[in-house]
Amino acid sequence: GAGVSQSPRYKVAKRGQDVALRCDPISGHVSLFWYQQALGQGPEFLTYFQNEAQLDKSGLPSDRFFAERPEGSVSTLKIQRTQQEDSAVYLCASSLYRLAEGGTQYFGPGTRLLVL
Amino acid sequence: AQSVAQPEDQVNVAEGNPLTVKCTYSVSGNPYLFWYVQYPNRGLQFLLKYITGDNLVKGSYGFEAEFNKSQTSFHLKKPSALVSDSALYFCAVRDKDNAGNMLTFGGGTRLMVKP
Repeated sequence: GAGVSQSPRYKVAKRGQDVALRCDPISGHVSLFWYQQALGQGPEFLTYFQNEAQLDKSGLPSDRFFAERPEGSVSTLKIQRTQQEDSAVYLCASSLYRLAEGGTQYFGPGTRLLVL
Repeated sequence: AQSVAQPEDQVNVAEGNPLTVKCTYSVSGNPYLFWYVQYPNRGLQFLLKYITGDNLVKGSYGFEAEFNKSQTSFHLKKPSALVSDSALYFCAVRDKDNAGNMLTFGGGTRLMVKP
């Protein structure tokens, strides 16, 4: 079946520009996660949705980062006034179960963001 | 706080030989443990997980991992490596007893299998 998809796969932005990254989770998955992966490092948690509710946004690095999942399926991660340090791969993952149930997270291919 | 250590940046092994990729973890409660693999320009692919029960977990593509509570380890193993196993491997942990805790990843280990 279809996995997690993300778009765009690559994004080049000028410093100060706003960007929007899209995630289509596996159909029916309750939980959705966003991660940031810097070059040569492991993914780091950004935010978590259970259906349409954003239950944890403790990993968002600044108030320039904003995420939403208004209908409990597709999610968008928005970065305002991008900075060079925002350059990274942004990974989306979804899980069939709520976080507390410990389900496996399935990852999308990521969006590679380069801020010039 | 929970954490994961992957002490080797790179592991080199000859095709056909057994491989081990090391992972140790730290959580205050009981762990959920995961291994993922990442190929170039691809997302993370799930390999296997330990939730409870048998300490030896078998996963995709012939990989297995052994949960060792006393050593707080979850090393990834395969009896006979393939060149196509060459990729970046990530270990991850969640604290089962703290429902709000997120998945924490190690820094990754690059596996190079040479023909």
